[in-house]
Order: sequence, then structure tokens, then C-alpha cells
Amino acid sequence: EVQLVESGGVLVQPGGSLRLSCTASGFTFSNYAMSWVRQAPGKGLDWVSAIGGSGDNTYYADTVKGRFTISRDNSKNTLYLQMNSLRAEDTAVYYCAKDKQWLIDYWGQGTLVTVSS
Amino acid sequence: DIQMTQSPSTLSASVGDRVTITCRASQSISSWLAWYQQKPGKAPKLLIYKASSLESGVPSRFSGSGSGTEFTLTISSLQPDDFATYYCQQYDSYFRTFGQGTKVEIK
Repeated sequence: EVQLVESGGVLVQPGGSLRLSCTASGFTFSNYAMSWVRQAPGKGLDWVSAIGGSGDNTYYADTVKGRFTISRDNSKNTLYLQMNSLRAEDTAVYYCAKDKQWLIDYWGQGTLVTVSS
Repeated sequence: DIQMTQSPSTLSASVGDRVTITCRASQSISSWLAWYQQKPGKAPKLLIYKASSLESGVPSRFSGSGSGTEFTLTISSLQPDDFATYYCQQYDSYFRTFGQGTKVEIK
């Protein structure tokens, strides 16, 4: 059974930094690209970033490019999202997701990031 | 960026009703379209991929159709467990975009 468990979401001040983690199990982690998708309170879904299975290729939405960095440690089956220069509009539930040829087929339960002073 | 537009935004229906949700892409995405169901406080769940393929374990009352720029999700006979928000998503490239969602409410 595929399981994705996110952690790291907290209350942080504007301009601050945060690192989210996602631990994966139930599949061969290194064989699949992974994504982060976020959902602001009461709003829809927004794709944030993706990374290839080997970690060599990374992709970002324009809204986070230059501020967020996606990475992975295949020896630990863990996906990361380093978030810098956080803004109020980054407040959202952040979901870790497994990709299958760009189709998102599994989602984690999400972790809430709140950016507020 | 490929924009995805869903309609309606809200839909009121009764148990047993046939329900149809429409999704339109701003440019052709072939059949690279997925539908997800999301319940309050939960992660989205994949229902349909490649426009019309039913994900394993999803009830057969759900079906999808379309290609190019026009797509539909149909629930043939609405069940109590189906009251939720539904999102379409294109995956023509790594830059995935979602529709704004359709909330299916109890009439």
C-alpha cells in the first residue's frame, strides 16, 4: 500500500523559512517523480513543484520559483521542500504526491503551513 | 500555462440523480486529463485518468469522456458518499493545472 506522510508544517513569520518532508513507503521511491501541491484555506489545488526520480530534474511554478527548492533522498525514501522568503499567500495545506508520467496517482494527508506575524 | 475551467462551480442534486460536470482546457491536451474527488479535510482521490480510464477500486457509476479541450465527468446514480468537491486536472506536461472545483451538494 502506498503511503505518503508529510511533516514540518508550522506557523512562520513573513520572510521566514521552513522545510517540509514527506516519507514514502509501499513503492520503489526512486522509480517515480514526486510533486508538491498546495491548497490555500477554502480554495482550489495548485501544483507547486516536481522532481524526477533521480533528483536530476526539478520543476517549479512561477509563483515559487527562486524561493522554494525541491529535493529528495532516495536512500531515505524522503521528499523535501525548502521554502524561503515566505509570504502570506503561501499559507496552505501542502500535499506530497506521487507522479506516474505526470499523473498524480497518490496523495499524502497534507501538512498546514501558516505564514503570519 | 494551460487554463482549466470547470462548470458548474456548485451543483445541488439528490441521491439517485445523474450528474455531469464539465471541464474545458484553454488549449488541446489530447486525453491527458484526470478527475479527483476531495472530501472536507481529506486529500484528493484519483477517480479517472487519461480522460476516460477508471482508477482501480473506483465505483463504475463514475465515468469520464472527452478529448482535446472538452471533457466531462458523469456520476450515473449519485450516492450519499459522492457528495464532495470534484477537480479536473491536466497533465499534458510537468506544469499541472487544476480546474477551480465543482462542489456537489445535497439538494
